Amino acid sequence: SYVLTQPPSVSVAPGQTARITCGGSNIGSKSVHWYQQKPGQAPVLVVYDDSDRPSGIPERFSGSNSGNTATLTISRVEAGDEADYYCQVWDSSSDHYVFGSGTKVTVI
Amino acid sequence: EVQLLESGGGLVQPGGSLRLSCAASGFTFSSYAMTWVRQAPGKGLEWVSAISGSGGSTYYADSVKGRFTISRDNSKNTLYLQMNSLRAEDTAVYYCAKDRRPTVTTVGYFDYWGQGTLVSVSS
Repeated sequence: SYVLTQPPSVSVAPGQTARITCGGSNIGSKSVHWYQQKPGQAPVLVVYDDSDRPSGIPERFSGSNSGNTATLTISRVEAGDEADYYCQVWDSSSDHYVFGSGTKVTVI
Repeated sequence: EVQLLESGGGLVQPGGSLRLSCAASGFTFSSYAMTWVRQAPGKGLEWVSAISGSGGSTYYADSVKGRFTISRDNSKNTLYLQMNSLRAEDTAVYYCAKDRRPTVTTVGYFDYWGQGTLVSVSS
């Protein structure tokens, strides 16, 4: 089955840039989507189709996808961005949706 | 406004059954595929099952195939998950989520989520 690998944690100072990676075999050929989940809350879609943002999501959130790595970038990080972030794709070989293992972003 | 409201969670013994429901409103329910995602305590998100808008196509994670059944009643705007032969490892918060299109596709994602319902499997 298809595996998506994320770093368990990323720490970033306020105002700096956080980059969260999502590794997978030839992931650049897939559409990658990203979710933010704060404690006790349901996930929220923050980036879809590699780099598009739903309405209401700040421009500070951006995405890219190439080769074996997709990246979610959070610019000018704020305390409110502290959350878990998950990448997600569709695996055609198994007809399964797949989530990454998740990355906890801590604003230090 | 899109709303998804899960219900039916609770405490069940190993080997038991439970049926979850997800009442949808604020969109044309039959026009969108729907999915169930679960999250064990302190763990990450795990996709469980998906169903097309018509109900004609269903998909299951290997961990639940043969034990869980996804279905929908478009006349009632409600999604279901029938869970049989429950195991301790099925303990999780179960979320229903709306897909972007009527069918499950290679570019599918989940643009709206419910708040979840907790299922605990324990003796």
